[in-house]
Amino acid sequence: NAGVTQTPKFQVLKTGQSMTLQCAQDMNHEYMSWYRQDPGMGLRLIHYSVGAGITDQGEVPNGYNVSRSTTEDFPLRLLSAAPSQTSVYFCASSYLGLGEAFFGQGTRLTVV
Amino acid sequence: QQPVQSPQAVILREGEDAVINCSSSKALYSVHWYRQKHGEAPVFLMILLKGGEQKGHEKISASFNEKKQQSSLYLTASQLSYSGTYFCGTANTGNQFYFGTGTSLTVIP
Repeated sequence: NAGVTQTPKFQVLKTGQSMTLQCAQDMNHEYMSWYRQDPGMGLRLIHYSVGAGITDQGEVPNGYNVSRSTTEDFPLRLLSAAPSQTSVYFCASSYLGLGEAFFGQGTRLTVV
Repeated sequence: QQPVQSPQAVILREGEDAVINCSSSKALYSVHWYRQKHGEAPVFLMILLKGGEQKGHEKISASFNEKKQQSSLYLTASQLSYSGTYFCGTANTGNQFYFGTGTSLTVIP
């Protein structure tokens, strides 16, 4: 069982560059979400989706876009990277928004 | 929106007990607890779905007071393997799931 697969594991970007963090799950979960983790601030919700074609903003959505064209995939796009987006990013999925969340291995992103 | 946890950090000797609290300003429909080891992804411990519900997982248990919008995680007879950062997670009516600020737990011999 692959569970939640998140790529890449590490990434360095220059300010202004764009990139997409990939997230895929093979558990047929409707609910998928993206979090960023910064020291002392826990995990903060960026965007989430309750099913294919449906996305919504979390508490820190600025600078990020998402789409959900299939149940399996939920990519996170950084349109113009800024140093403030340096963080560890986690993708998670669950059967329902209230169910056990399964996490990807995380992406450590550095913007210079 | 983000629930607040206390304490922020705690250091225990093996065998000692600890309590981690999670408090929200919003009405809660469920509370999750997760543990994260350094450099790894969070791992699910337990979920509480009803007010007043208590659940147990080995020597780790939790309670959920829906009226007070609070949950507590109880770790008894701590082991070295309990070290990590503990997060509570809460869901509101809008399908938004938020994690708390985290509590760093260190168990020393």
